[in-house]
Amino acid sequence: QVQLVESGGGAVQPGTSLRLSCAASGFTFSGNGMHWVRQAPGKGLEWVALIWYDGSKKYYADSVKGRFTISRDNSRNTLFLQMNSLRVDDTAVYYCARLYGVYLIDYWGQGTLVTVSS
Amino acid sequence: QSALTQPASVSGSPGQSITISCTGTSSDVDDYNYVSWYQQHPGKAPKLMIYEVSNRPSGVPDRFSGSKSGNTASLTISGLQAEDEADYYCNSYTSSSTLWVFGGGTKLTVL
Repeated sequence: QVQLVESGGGAVQPGTSLRLSCAASGFTFSGNGMHWVRQAPGKGLEWVALIWYDGSKKYYADSVKGRFTISRDNSRNTLFLQMNSLRVDDTAVYYCARLYGVYLIDYWGQGTLVTVSS
Repeated sequence: QSALTQPASVSGSPGQSITISCTGTSSDVDDYNYVSWYQQHPGKAPKLMIYEVSNRPSGVPDRFSGSKSGNTASLTISGLQAEDEADYYCNSYTSSSTLWVFGGGTKLTVL
């Protein structure tokens, strides 16, 4: 079955960087686009970024554009999110999620917590 | 402020039916039949319950149904059960630069 396992979260100071990973299994990773979605403590879900199945196109929420970079390694079935210039309001659980077809987010990982605090 | 508007909370007794609304705009819910609903229990990942407005993935009970009218989508849960108590989020594709938008979430309490 589809499994998505995030890692790389932790506590960091404002202005620093962090790289998240998402290991995928149970499906043909290179055949699906992948998202990052985040959830601040006690808040709702916020879409962060999307990468196409082959990495050829990438899209970002305005709130992270220019600071975050989504990438993937299809040979390792792994999705990444490089987060630079982190801010306090980036504090959230970050989920990787699979894009099914063109519009549907179907499977989600368990999430990894990123805490940005001085 | 979330792009899609949901009530903060709804409640119902076991066996009853409840409906959660999700109001968007002409850029998302009104313009696309790509509305999804997710169930999230505390500390868990969201789970897809409804996609493309009214379709249920395999394994989701038929007590869960979805619909849409104009810029408002709805999730109805009939025959409420204790395990339905969770947060529910709607989601839509949008023609804005955001591409995907979520509602703020609705906490369902089964009394």
